[in-house]
Amino acid sequence: DGGITQSPKYLFRKEGQNVTLSCEQNLNHDAMYWYRQDPGQGLRLIYYSQIVNDFQKGDIAEGYSVSREKKESFPLTVTSAQKNPTAFYLCASQLRDTFSRSNQPQHFGDGTRLSIL
Amino acid sequence: AQSVTQPDIHITVSEGASLELRCNYSYGATPYLFWYVQSPGQGLQLLLKYFSGDTLVQGIKGFEAEFKRSQSSFNLRKPSVHWSDAAEYFCAVGAVSNYQLIWGAGTKLIIKP
Repeated sequence: DGGITQSPKYLFRKEGQNVTLSCEQNLNHDAMYWYRQDPGQGLRLIYYSQIVNDFQKGDIAEGYSVSREKKESFPLTVTSAQKNPTAFYLCASQLRDTFSRSNQPQHFGDGTRLSIL
Repeated sequence: AQSVTQPDIHITVSEGASLELRCNYSYGATPYLFWYVQSPGQGLQLLLKYFSGDTLVQGIKGFEAEFKRSQSSFNLRKPSVHWSDAAEYFCAVGAVSNYQLIWGAGTKLIIKP
């Protein structure tokens, strides 16, 4: 079955450390997204990518970095510059329907919970 | 400004009772509207979507939603809730030319036995 795989499920970061969250999809979707979720705040967009080798900052990109070298993969690095990284991180993907020029729904992985040691 | 408002942070209903979760939006273009559900510690699952056409849309798990353009609303309904419906529900709005969604803050549904 096709889907989105996020790993690890739980991750702990030490002070000054960079950590990378993995997101892989086998849905052949064009666009991929990273969201941060904090209690009571809904989803906030960190970065998104519409095609390989291209990505754009979302609303809260500071302290994060991404790459999109393959269509299937969109890893997120939480750098030491992100002073409050404790949150639930969600990856999503989306198919661009080029025929009807409509956006299809975003599909989500099961998330990674990041905490500070 | 573009925004999505879910006025109720928490809603408590008895098992078997009907449910309505509210979603109001402010959006400049023709909106695409979505409802997602999230169980604790899990990702989001799409319940239903509205792109065009019939303003009453049916989704999975017995949910439906009605798009009311005049009221800028897209409320989610279910005639009879089950204990397994306890979760957090998110409304989102986007546009055909825009990859980005605008998300509501979510409504947590609590089911009383």
